[in-house]
Amino acid sequence: QSVLTQPPSVSGAPGQSVTISCSGSSSNIGTPYDVHWYQQRPGTAPRLLIYNYNTRPSGVPDRFSGSKSGTSASLAISGLQAEDEADYYCQSYDSRVRGSRVFGGGTKLTVL
Amino acid sequence: QVQLQESSPGLVKPSGTLSLTCDVSGGSITSNNWWSWVRQPPGKGLDWIGEVYHSGSTNYNPSLRSRFTVSVDKSKNQFSLTVTSVTSADTAMYYCARSLNGGWSSAFDIWGQGAMVTVSS
Repeated sequence: QSVLTQPPSVSGAPGQSVTISCSGSSSNIGTPYDVHWYQQRPGTAPRLLIYNYNTRPSGVPDRFSGSKSGTSASLAISGLQAEDEADYYCQSYDSRVRGSRVFGGGTKLTVL
Repeated sequence: QVQLQESSPGLVKPSGTLSLTCDVSGGSITSNNWWSWVRQPPGKGLDWIGEVYHSGSTNYNPSLRSRFTVSVDKSKNQFSLTVTSVTSADTAMYYCARSLNGGWSSAFDIWGQGAMVTVSS
């Protein structure tokens, strides 16, 4: 049981937009601490996609964007491409235990 | 460009001890970053294990803490994970990762390629 809750799967056709949610609580996403998103393609290590809610590292297309509201965060992907098919994980910090980093359970994105 | 490379024994017997190391190249382990271990059981999600700062300070996942130890060796520019009393539930891909900065909530910006560990007799 993950501290952060994500839908197991989402899907969309090429060119469409999808949103992946990440639900937490007042001890993690609901705090001033940051929320981050990772992409993991099959057989590869996770890759940082979005950090500090909505900042993209160099090389990440602007089709990816992040947001936060209350105790939930979201990752939006526009103009879906076949290469976007992957697992996506949110991650934050949980203030109930000092220094505790937490992940969501992950969401499988299928490009139809 | 900082790169991370895990090394592990691959196969460990039940009740034994698992030791992994992560070599840091292209940068210094004494920089202002936390150095973490994350594992992923086959077909499952990511699970943060713990982290170490170059000073030796550590933080752990409270649900895993008792059997797991993360340590740093500044002379070798590497950090390590030791897991005692392993069971089949410890079978997983183990990743080492660097946090973006010294903040507790910073993202993992650099990952190793991962090392598969299987617990079996």
